[in-house]
Amino acid sequence: QQPVQSPQAVILREGEDAVINCSSSKALYSVHWYRQKHGEAPVFLMILLKGGEQKGHDKISASFNEKKQQSSLYLTASQLSYSGTYFCGLQGAQKLVFGQGTRLTINP
Amino acid sequence: SAVISQKPSRDICQRGTSLTIQCQVDSQVTMMFWYRQQPGQSLTLIATANQGSEATYESGFVIDKFPISRPNLTFSTLTVSNLSPEDSSIYLCSVGGADSPLHFGNGTRLTVT
Repeated sequence: QQPVQSPQAVILREGEDAVINCSSSKALYSVHWYRQKHGEAPVFLMILLKGGEQKGHDKISASFNEKKQQSSLYLTASQLSYSGTYFCGLQGAQKLVFGQGTRLTINP
Repeated sequence: SAVISQKPSRDICQRGTSLTIQCQVDSQVTMMFWYRQQPGQSLTLIATANQGSEATYESGFVIDKFPISRPNLTFSTLTVSNLSPEDSSIYLCSVGGADSPLHFGNGTRLTVT
């Protein structure tokens, strides 16, 4: 079953923060996050493998709340290079099912 | 991480014809995944290609329309048959997943006229 992402689109000014949520009606075992720029293939950002886990690099981090069946991606002090569409992916039965995506636009 | 070469990068095909997409990985992998991304949409898994066995298709995708070959552990092909304009999409092969990152080829942009 496809995870639900919110919001569907965000427009920010450079330096602002954003949060993208990913939720599922089924129990979550692991959550992947990817970013896709226009005309390019998706690029892996991070995986969270267990409840309570938090990860981050640079100014992008994520959390995984297995009880709430939800993961969130945090982008702080956004840069122009953060623009793109972000997808969460839920792992199940040896395959990854992606959310519908969140389009992030960063303006100067 | 795996390096994936996918070709063609794009093609324009006529209705009723077929297109075969090739995917080459620089290391041996057990499973390869084929995704479709329709314009402005998310990625939808078409099938999982396993070496030495039939591909496993997702609901809504059938072998007659999307035959897949997996002759060895580094190569796979996806054919999109009997093309219609609704098949216009980006097709991506990928490897990895589960507890490791999923890596994608650069995709094949198919336009059906």
